[in-house]
Amino acid sequence: TQLLEQSPQFLSIQEGENLTVYCNSSSVFSSLQWYRQEPGEGPVLLVTVVTGGEVKKLKRLTFQFGDARKDSSLHITAAQPGDTGLYLCAGAIGGTSYGKLTFGQGTILTVHP
Amino acid sequence: DAGITQSPRHKVTETGTPVTLRCHQTENHRYMYWYRQDPGHGLRLIHYSYGVKDTDKGEVSDGYSVSRSKTEDFLLTLESATSSQTSVYFCAISESTQDRGRRETQYFGPGTRLLVL
Repeated sequence: TQLLEQSPQFLSIQEGENLTVYCNSSSVFSSLQWYRQEPGEGPVLLVTVVTGGEVKKLKRLTFQFGDARKDSSLHITAAQPGDTGLYLCAGAIGGTSYGKLTFGQGTILTVHP
Repeated sequence: DAGITQSPRHKVTETGTPVTLRCHQTENHRYMYWYRQDPGHGLRLIHYSYGVKDTDKGEVSDGYSVSRSKTEDFLLTLESATSSQTSVYFCAISESTQDRGRRETQYFGPGTRLLVL
């Protein structure tokens, strides 16, 4: 059972376009993380969101945590080829004591010059 | 970058042989995790540790065992490797803190690519 549904699974866009990746669940998360992974490397943390309705910005990336803490989105403005990679969302189910995370299946983003 | 190393980075082994993967951290973090990453399945938790000699199973623990005798080292053992255990294995760490966001944020090692023939 996939507790975290991430969409779309694949995105292929041109440089300069905007895009949004979604992460949805029927479970409430105490926090949610977004990671970016490049081939042959481990996932690298982009952001952690904790409060329902929270919005965080990282340069051209905007992250939002849903009011009910069941969903999140990642929006990239004016995508660049350097944004290419696998984007993963991961959530901690409420009450988790040891920081255990559930991961979405990931979104493979390709930005063409 | 978090101080996490994994060894070996690549390994080819034969079915039925034992394999041990090592994760080493220099952050003195209490929690450590082993995941496997496969196409179409994302990252799945194998085992985790919440302290020295304190470990528990994740969602895909069958065929794997772990040990943690020191804070900095977390070992993953495949007692008798099978072809279904061909995968990329990642170690991760997180802090023990009352701050929920920090406690639930994990930092990953570079991974070990394992091929079981």
